[in-house]
This record gives sequence, structure tokens and C-alpha cells, in this order.
Amino acid sequence: RKEVEQDPGPFNVPEGATVAFNCTYSNSASQSFFWYRQDCRKEPKLLMSVYSSGNEDGRFTAQLNRASQYISLLIRDSKLSDSATYLCVVTIYGQNFVFGPGTRLSVLP
Amino acid sequence: SQTIHQWPATLVQPVGSPLSLECTVEGTSNPNLYWYRQAAGRGLQLLFYSVGIGQISSEVPQNLSASRPQDRQFILSSKKLLLSDSGFYLCAWQGQRSYNEQFFGPGTRLTVL
Repeated sequence: RKEVEQDPGPFNVPEGATVAFNCTYSNSASQSFFWYRQDCRKEPKLLMSVYSSGNEDGRFTAQLNRASQYISLLIRDSKLSDSATYLCVVTIYGQNFVFGPGTRLSVLP
Repeated sequence: SQTIHQWPATLVQPVGSPLSLECTVEGTSNPNLYWYRQAAGRGLQLLFYSVGIGQISSEVPQNLSASRPQDRQFILSSKKLLLSDSGFYLCAWQGQRSYNEQFFGPGTRLTVL
């Protein structure tokens, strides 16, 4: 079983839609969690950290369920500019970042 | 503010040639530094990380090596490139405080022919 798994995608959604990405991790000792976005042929950029209580940043909401070892990202009112690959990231000991394979999102006009 | 630089941005090299990719960070001291590789259509693979000058940890056995000659400089090298070394090489930095986020440089796109 892979350490971090994500929805295979791609997700093709119309502008204004709500889309949710799921991520599961295998190591129960995982301590920190992040979502990154990566545009085509660019470096990954931090989208948001994921806290135990859940957190929201504008149209983006991240949730963490430690018992189920599950992380989610919800995007509301999708914009064309949200088209990218979304990477789920889990850390075990602070320095050991494990990236999921990513889920590609295309927001269509 | 912190910035991270990588060069070159793109590189085309023949099989068997040497490689040297450089990464430098500004605006922070004593960062953790990382080298990743992303093959076309694939996820990120951690190659090396460093918690200080001269301290290198290797994650994957391969024909690549890394060095950290200065606090904010991280170099990825190879004596002889293989076709399978083609990919997008990304350098990242992280603050020393545990569980900090990582921030990536713009990357080097390497094609080995």
C-alpha cells in the first residue's frame, strides 16, 4: 500500500461548481498535513496547512480525520484559475515529507 | 522575505555527461534543504535532504550525489548521466522549526538524450 493515496482524477468541473478531493495516508505516526497545488510545468506551491480542527481559507476548506487517516480539500465556486494538480502531503518526522501522486483538476468555462 | 533560486532553468545533456545543479536560498539561515525529482506525469520523489552544512541524507540509491558547501547552498551532481535521470528537479527549503512547510524553487527541467 502506498504511503499517501489520492483520488486518481482527472476532475473536470464547470465554473462555479464545488469539488472535493480525498487523500488517505498509511502511517498513523504522521504529524503534519498540507495541500499544495502545482500548475503545469511549474513548482508546487503551498495552498494550505491542514489542522486537526479543520481550517478554511476563502473558498478552500481542509479537513483532517486522524482516526480514519483521511484528509480532504473542498473547493467552492470553482474558478478557471483553480485548474491545477492538487498534491496531498504528509510528514512523519518534520523533515520527511511524503507527497501523494496528485489529483488533476480542470475547471471548464 | 525568503526566496529560493535554482539554475539552470532547463538543461539538455547527452548520456554519460556530468551534471551540476545549484540551489540557493536567501532571507533565512540554517534551513533544511531538499532535492526532489519529478518524472513526467509522476509524483515527487525525494532524492536528498540536508539539515546543515556538510550533512546529507540520501533517500534513494542512484548515480546522483548532493553537497551543501554553504549554509544556503545545495548542489546536485552526477558524474555520468543516464537516460532515466531526465525529469524536473526541484529544490525546497524548510525552516528549522519542526513540521514547517516546504517551499520550492522554480525547478530545473533536465532532458538526457
